Amino acid sequence: DGGITQSPKYLFRKEGQNVTLSCEQNLNHDAMYWYRQDPGQGLRLIYYSQIVNDFQKGDIAEGYSVSREKKESFPLTVTSAQKNPTAFYLCASSPRLAGNNEQFFGPGTRLTVL
Amino acid sequence: RKEVEQDPGPFNVPEGATVAFNCTYSNSASQSFFWYRQDCRKEPKLLMSVYSSGNEDGRFTAQLNRASQYISLLIRDSKLSDSATYLCVVNVDYGQNFVFGPGTRLSVLP
Repeated sequence: DGGITQSPKYLFRKEGQNVTLSCEQNLNHDAMYWYRQDPGQGLRLIYYSQIVNDFQKGDIAEGYSVSREKKESFPLTVTSAQKNPTAFYLCASSPRLAGNNEQFFGPGTRLTVL
Repeated sequence: RKEVEQDPGPFNVPEGATVAFNCTYSNSASQSFFWYRQDCRKEPKLLMSVYSSGNEDGRFTAQLNRASQYISLLIRDSKLSDSATYLCVVNVDYGQNFVFGPGTRLSVLP
């Protein structure tokens, strides 16, 4: 049963705490992405990775960090430096083959800062 | 000008109606195009890719106009289950650069 999993589904954080969101895929996709979605808005790219041990900043990387030690895993850490972290976080992957590069999304993690 | 713009919506239509969404993109080097569907508080799911010649999948038809840099999605015979937000997505280089539109919300009413 291939797909992308994210955990936890809901996460509550106190101000000043770092939290890590998990993203795992068993689709054998090379590329993985993290997006943030705020109510009534589109998706904004935080970080992406095209290959193991390599990742690039997206449009809103400040206050976030990632790692890509394994092809299957792309965890996102929301640090205390992120001023407004409450949002819906979506992880996606893509095979990166020309002509066949649609993204597949995990179910998301809803982060709330208390 | 935003990279990808969509009809602001919301669209409220009766069951059985035909509804069309438009999306424009600013980067003429864009390579591939998609329509995603997102239900409330869920992840986006691929509805259909959009090919240069246009393509149809059941009640859904997608068109691409590269000269005018817009894509469209037509839904015929709307069902209650079609109620969702429809996201236009453009990919520039077959790589990491997927740009999402803000979405157009559709409500199909009984």
